[in-house]
Amino acid sequence: QSALTQPPSASGSPGQSVAISCTGTSRDVGGYNYVSWYQQHPGKAPKLMIYEVSKRPSGVPDRFSGSKSGNTASLTVSGLQAEDEADYYCSSYAGGNNFDVFGTGTKVTVL
Amino acid sequence: QVQLQESGPGLVKPSETLSLTCTVSDASFKSYYWSWIRQPPGKGLQWIGFIYYSGTTTYNPSLKSRLTISVDTSKNQFSLKLRSVTTADAAVYYCARGIPRSVDGTWVVDRLDYWGQGTLVTVSS
Repeated sequence: QSALTQPPSASGSPGQSVAISCTGTSRDVGGYNYVSWYQQHPGKAPKLMIYEVSKRPSGVPDRFSGSKSGNTASLTVSGLQAEDEADYYCSSYAGGNNFDVFGTGTKVTVL
Repeated sequence: QVQLQESGPGLVKPSETLSLTCTVSDASFKSYYWSWIRQPPGKGLQWIGFIYYSGTTTYNPSLKSRLTISVDTSKNQFSLKLRSVTTADAAVYYCARGIPRSVDGTWVVDRLDYWGQGTLVTVSS
């Protein structure tokens, strides 16, 4: 299984919005509504931010939203705050081997 | 509050076996899939595999021939053994709790909602 494709970096000023894409195939992102997004600050464990494409776990601000179109999922962070600066990884169920696959990761910088 | 803690040697020699244990404080240990994920320094996340309390496992095909994940329900622990390690296996190893979901009649991990802090494993002679 190949990793899902994410842009290496994205940036925005405080208060602005930033969108991160996660591109797969019909065998993973496009075939199932089981896309998750994780936020990882330096030296820390990943934190679940979005699951099943667009659902937010309890405690995650509603500034974080997810969507999907075809083989591409997206994470949008609205009203950027300094603490949103982190690496973000998508993950999708990939059928076949009954396994998930992670994205390549995107570093979000708050300017 | 659910907590996971990885433990094990931080240094493993090439060709030897990497062994890690994750201790879980979760009263519902039998309700989830317990997972291992790793992250080489400066790189992205990679699924290793997961196990159910019954011992049923799913492994990343790229590691399957060298990998064993086991569970000890009496201690709320699950373990990872990766044989014949090389420098490519050097990484931060995380354990995590996976929410199970049935997809096309097969039970898989929907998402990882709790993670351990991670433990760095170096492979060097």
